[in-house]
Amino acid sequence: EVQLLESGGRLVQPGESLRLSCAASGFTFSNYAMSWVRQAPGKGLEWVSSITGSGTNTHYADSVKGRFTISRDSSQNTLNLQLNSLRGEDTAVYYCARLSRGGAVSFDYWGQGTLVTVSS
Amino acid sequence: EIVLTQSPGTLSLFPGDRATLSCRASQSVSSSYLAWYLQKPGQAPRLLIYGTSTRAIGIPDRFSGGGSGTDFTLTISRLEPEDFAVYYCQQYDSSPPLWTFGQGTKVEIK
Repeated sequence: EVQLLESGGRLVQPGESLRLSCAASGFTFSNYAMSWVRQAPGKGLEWVSSITGSGTNTHYADSVKGRFTISRDSSQNTLNLQLNSLRGEDTAVYYCARLSRGGAVSFDYWGQGTLVTVSS
Repeated sequence: EIVLTQSPGTLSLFPGDRATLSCRASQSVSSSYLAWYLQKPGQAPRLLIYGTSTRAIGIPDRFSGGGSGTDFTLTISRLEPEDFAVYYCQQYDSSPPLWTFGQGTKVEIK
């Protein structure tokens, strides 16, 4: 059974940093591209970042480019997201999601999310 | 960047009704790159449909997807109580790689 378990979300002040992690199990982690998708309170879904199965290529939404860094550790089956220079508009539930095989065009499994709150 | 616009914003229906949800793209989208998700309150989204019309694992056949170009639809043939939720469409751009969602359609019990 595919499982994705996020951790690391908490209350932080504007300008601070945070590291989110996602523990993956139930599939061959290195065979899949992975992503982070966020959802601000009461709002819709926003793709944040993706990384290829090898970790070679990364992609970011314009809203987080230069501030967030995605990475993965295939020895630990873990996906990470480093969030720097946090702003109020980064407040959201952050979901870890697996990208489907055959093109990585849709998100076929999701974690339950971890809440990041940016407020003074 | 392709923008997805979903309509209506809210759909009020009875259990047993047929639901038709629309997703319109600002530019043509490959039919291979269009997906639909369901999200219930307090839960993570769940993949329903990918490649415009292929149901994901475990999704019942009352859910169907269709469309092409800039106009796509999700149809629920007969609403069950567990289907009342928010539905999102999503598309993928390959150059550069970019994933975007529509703003969602809420299907509520009338």
